[in-house]
Amino acid sequence: DAGVIQSPRHEVTEMGQEVTLRCKPISGHNSLFWYRQTMMRGLELLIYFNNNVPIDDSGMPEDRFSAKMPNASFSTLKIQPSEPRDSAVYFCATSLNPGPHNEQFFGPGTRLTVL
Amino acid sequence: SQQGEEDPQALSIQEGENATMNCSYKTSINNLQWYRQNSGRGLVHLILIRSNEREKHSGRLRVTLDTSKKSSSLLITASRAADTASYFCATENFLTGGSYIPTFGRGTSLIVHP
Repeated sequence: DAGVIQSPRHEVTEMGQEVTLRCKPISGHNSLFWYRQTMMRGLELLIYFNNNVPIDDSGMPEDRFSAKMPNASFSTLKIQPSEPRDSAVYFCATSLNPGPHNEQFFGPGTRLTVL
Repeated sequence: SQQGEEDPQALSIQEGENATMNCSYKTSINNLQWYRQNSGRGLVHLILIRSNEREKHSGRLRVTLDTSKKSSSLLITASRAADTASYFCATENFLTGGSYIPTFGRGTSLIVHP
């Protein structure tokens, strides 16, 4: 298995533009997590899916952020409109199921820069 | 929700020395996990210790858990330059509906000088 795949790896955009980040989970993993990492705030959980259903989106900063998981092999995180303060590294991680003994497998991340 | 707090924030040592990082948390846990993040990469799972375990080993890694003090430590013995990375502890948070999700601290940045 290739692991968790994220695209693009780097994204530079201008303020106000729509940004779509993509994630392909490890086959068979039922839980998918979107994180944002910055120097100031560390690693923040944005949203968590289980069996393609959003379970907890309390970490999504505001309505400009939305996430979908239309099927077990694909998820998107969209920011519309983007702002400079959205600049961060966005990680997708997956696990077999949400149990407390399951490790998470992280993708390589998407480094987003909003000018 | 609770979040593990790593200490120290940064650690700089010479190759061959041991590195010790600590994690403290606030509420009872079922398990605690340690992850490593190399610069520009995603986090990689290192080891999981359950609440009924006091110590666990994996290669040069030794993890201890003291539930009475609500703390854990990660010891890397005979460190190598390749151990340079950030290290995170993750405690689980219980969500309504029966799900547990790991919550990460801010990490300890370890630099091992060759």
